[in-house]
This record gives sequence, structure tokens and C-alpha cells, in this order.
Amino acid sequence: RKEVEQDPGPFNVPEGATVAFNCTYSNSASQSFFWYRQDCRKEPKLLMSVYSSGNEDGRFTAQLNRASQYISLLIRDSKLSDSATYLCVVSSSGGYNKLIFGAGTRLAVHP
Amino acid sequence: GAGVSQSPSNKVTEKGKDVELRCDPISGHTALYWYRQSLGQGLEFLIYFQGNSAPDKSGLPSDRFSAERTGGSVSTLTIQRTQQEDSAVYLCASSPKRGLAEETQYFGPGTRLLVL
Repeated sequence: RKEVEQDPGPFNVPEGATVAFNCTYSNSASQSFFWYRQDCRKEPKLLMSVYSSGNEDGRFTAQLNRASQYISLLIRDSKLSDSATYLCVVSSSGGYNKLIFGAGTRLAVHP
Repeated sequence: GAGVSQSPSNKVTEKGKDVELRCDPISGHTALYWYRQSLGQGLEFLIYFQGNSAPDKSGLPSDRFSAERTGGSVSTLTIQRTQQEDSAVYLCASSPKRGLAEETQYFGPGTRLLVL
């Protein structure tokens, strides 16, 4: 079983749609949680950190449920520019920031 | 300001040859990481440096892989006797302090390695 699992997609949605991505992780001792965005043939870039209390950044909302070991990302009012692969990322419990990446969920927003 | 840079951006090599990949982290960043992304796969951790030492080499896939970091800055990842399964994008990331769990890692653009 992979340490971080995501639905690979692709999610094909029209502009303006709301789309939700889910992710589960297997290591209950994981300390920090992130969503990264990766455009085609580009490096990953941090989208947002994820906190137990939930956090929002504009159209993006992230949630963490430690009991269920579940992370989510909600994108409201999708834009064409949101088309990318979204990577669920968990940091290890080894006292430093070893990131464990999910394989990513592809999002394609169409006009 | 300058981000993480990597060279070469692309490398094509023949099976059995050695390759060296270079990473220049953001100036002042003490933590440096190497990852690998194979086609259609998620990123896979290879090695972590804190300063010049590598406390975690657990992700290196075989003894053909090695890495070093000098002067607390530039790092090189060396793959000896390359195999076709080594073909991937090799990404380097750095973070400011001691690689704490909550720190943001900044990624370089990667080196695309193709082993024929």
C-alpha cells in the first residue's frame, strides 16, 4: 500500500465548477501536510499547507482529519488556469522534512 | 531573487555510462533534498542533506547512486553505470533552516534524464 494515496483522475470540469480532491495517508505519526501544484513538465510548487482546523486561501480550502488520516482540497469557481496536477504531500515523522508525495490528481478545466 | 537551479536541464546518456547532476540551492538554505519523479509517478525521496552531511540516504535506490554536498551549498547526484530504469526527472529542493517538518521546500526545475 502506498504511503499517500490519491485518485489519479483526470477530473474534467467546466469553468466555474467546484471540485474536490481527496487523499489518505498511512503513517499516523506524520506531522505536516501540504498540497502542491505541478504544471506539465514543471517543478512542484507549494499551494497551501493543511491544518487540522482547516484553512482557506481564496478559492482554495484544505481540510485535515487526523483520526481518519484523510486530507482534502476544495477548489471553488474553477478557472482555466487551475488546470494542473495536484499533489497531496505528507512530511515524515523523522524529525526533518522528508516529503512523501502522492502520485497526484490531474485537473483539466475547460471553457 | 534566485531560486533553486539545476543542471543540466536535460541529459541523454547511454546505458552503462555515469552521469552527474548538479543542484544549486537558494543561498543560505541549509537543508537540501533530492527527489526522483518517474513517468506517471509521484515524487520519490532519495536523500537529505543538512549542511554537508547526509543524515538520511534511505531513498537511494541502489549503490550506483551517490550524492555529496560541499561548502553547505552545491550538491551533486551521481549515477554510475546508468540503467534504463534510471530514466526520470531528478528534482532538487532546499529549505531555509534545519529541514523542520513545517518548512516549505523550494524545488528546482529538475534534470530530465533519459537512458537509452
